[in-house]
Amino acid sequence: EDKVVQSPLSLVVHEGDTVTLNCSYEVTNFRSLLWYKQEKKAPTFLFMLTSSGIEKKSGRLSSILDKKELSSILNITATQTGDSAIYLCAVGNAGNMLTFGGGTRLMVKP
Amino acid sequence: DSGVTQTPKHLITATGQRVTLRCSPRSGDLSVYWYQQSLDQGLQFLIQYYNGEERAKGNILERFSAQQFPDLHSELNLSSLELGDSALYFCASSAPFTSGSSYEQYFGPGTRLTVT
Repeated sequence: EDKVVQSPLSLVVHEGDTVTLNCSYEVTNFRSLLWYKQEKKAPTFLFMLTSSGIEKKSGRLSSILDKKELSSILNITATQTGDSAIYLCAVGNAGNMLTFGGGTRLMVKP
Repeated sequence: DSGVTQTPKHLITATGQRVTLRCSPRSGDLSVYWYQQSLDQGLQFLIQYYNGEERAKGNILERFSAQQFPDLHSELNLSSLELGDSALYFCASSAPFTSGSSYEQYFGPGTRLTVT
């Protein structure tokens, strides 16, 4: 059974801090790893990493896939209160089924 | 706004009843996925359709069924509802398999179902 584990479960930081969120996985026929940000309702797509694209960056957010260690990290630099959310990691298999981790709840204090 | 639409936003119903949730994918997307998010189970994959055909099933109960219509919108039918079915139900869509971004799934705003 495919499995995704995220750590830490929750994190409280102050504005301007840098945070690193972790995701490890066990999946049959790995194809992709996706990061989502979930605020009040729907998960919002952030990044997708695959064997051919193991590093992505967008503004203050960046992510790396380590296929050897079966893990990924999501870095957020110079955090802002608007970054407060639950960050979800999901892994896709050959059939494009996503298995989600339990999420990391990030709170950024002013 | 992801471009995926879902109706209704909220639904309150009684145990034993049947409801239908509706989803329209992003323009051009052929795949539709249904997910359930509850506090104790997290976000769980239910079922996937591609261009009208069922592609994959996850942890979907026999009381639940879905279909995708020729115009590509999808409906999730939940019957004989139980208190434990109360959850957020999300629909997501992705680009055709022939595109380079078919693994990216974009989520709709969800339907919050409350069973009393």
